[in-house]
Amino acid sequence: AQSVTQLDSHVSVSEGTPVLLRCNYSSSYSPSLFWYVQHPNKGLQLLLKYTSAATLVKGINGFEAEFKKSETSFHLTKPSAHMSDAAEYFCVVSRINNAGNMLTFGGGTRLMVKP
Amino acid sequence: EPEVTQTPSHQVTQMGQEVILRCVPISNHLYFYWYRQILGQKVEFLVSFYNNEISEKSEIFDDQFSVERPDGSNFTLKIRSTKLEDSAMYFCASSPQGATEAFFGQGTRLTVV
Repeated sequence: AQSVTQLDSHVSVSEGTPVLLRCNYSSSYSPSLFWYVQHPNKGLQLLLKYTSAATLVKGINGFEAEFKKSETSFHLTKPSAHMSDAAEYFCVVSRINNAGNMLTFGGGTRLMVKP
Repeated sequence: EPEVTQTPSHQVTQMGQEVILRCVPISNHLYFYWYRQILGQKVEFLVSFYNNEISEKSEIFDDQFSVERPDGSNFTLKIRSTKLEDSAMYFCASSPQGATEAFFGQGTRLTVV
């Protein structure tokens, strides 16, 4: 079984300040982990992924995430928020088998960026 | 860049009616999925489809639901007799062989009245 908990449903930051979106996961096997972003009226876009290579993963738009097995965490960070970062962010764990990859989503974190 | 496309973007239907949601996955992908997100809730897995058959389905995917790949490009989700609680955003996704991630469409918002 696998599960994902996003610790904050809403995060508000000022433009130019750091972003931290927190995620903890539970998985019976070595997980693949992802962050997806959803802008209003848009689909789910892959930001970055961890698949058992380097524990610090860099994604698009300056985001990165660090896989910490001891803490079962995969927090998303960005050094400096931009207004265009305002969106909903989903932490996702993947279970891969012959059926494909079944994704389990966290509840989402809505990021608001103030000017 | 190739993308998953879904139609329509928004569908309103009366309770008890049948509805078909359509998706065109990325052309060389082999695995296809439907997920849904009820307003205010998590995105939930419904079904995966591979090699022209359902490979896995969740408890949500009961006899009211069916999927089909009627030709080489489309992938559809049919809800036979819609209920109010079927109102949600439905996402189609696809992935190639060996990929760990899935690529999502923009979603179809289904409203059952």
